[in-house]
Amino acid sequence: KAGVTQTPRYLIKTRGQQVTLSCSPISGHRSVSWYQQTPGQGLQFLFEYFSETQRNKGNFPGRFSGRQFSNSRSEMNVSTLELGDSALYLCASSLASGGGSPLHFGNGTRLTVT
Amino acid sequence: DQQVKQNSPSLSVQEGRISILNCDYTNSMFDYFLWYKKYPAEGPTFLISISSIKDKNEDGRFTVFLNKSAKHLSLHIVPSQPGDSAVYFCAAGGYGNKLVFGAGTILRVKS
Repeated sequence: KAGVTQTPRYLIKTRGQQVTLSCSPISGHRSVSWYQQTPGQGLQFLFEYFSETQRNKGNFPGRFSGRQFSNSRSEMNVSTLELGDSALYLCASSLASGGGSPLHFGNGTRLTVT
Repeated sequence: DQQVKQNSPSLSVQEGRISILNCDYTNSMFDYFLWYKKYPAEGPTFLISISSIKDKNEDGRFTVFLNKSAKHLSLHIVPSQPGDSAVYFCAAGGYGNKLVFGAGTILRVKS
């Protein structure tokens, strides 16, 4: 079974631009979550989508948004990029939402904002 | 506020011995906990989980213990192997798949 696939692996953008990251979950998984990892803040929850609906949202500004398609694939968008948005963005998929169903992570997209 | 804390930034253990990684949490609403392992340039890999209604869960060389009264959990790896060298994260969840992660502990297993 293929794992969680994130594209692209690396991205360099300039302040003020916007970016879209893509995630393909494990086949059959309906929940997709996004996390941001930085050296200072660690792994922080961005949002979760389940069956195309946003189920949960972390404490991030509205510049961070996402969506999920009917095939469970997900995208996240960051608008008006800031230097502090430089981070590893991780997508995780799960069979269910909550209840201890383990999240399976992709290898992430490394975003650098200059 | 840090709801999940891993107070040891690093741990060094001899091959074949036991590795014990610790994690403390503050929110009593968490109802399940997980441990992940992370190698450089890869995403976290799920290791083992435990529900808040249990106090122990085993999977091969990995055992997780939960002490709800102390709000403390630990991961035991026995025996430790050089391939176990990685960053270990504990995470706690209570609603949906919103997990709160600790800062991680770097485990080095020396051969």
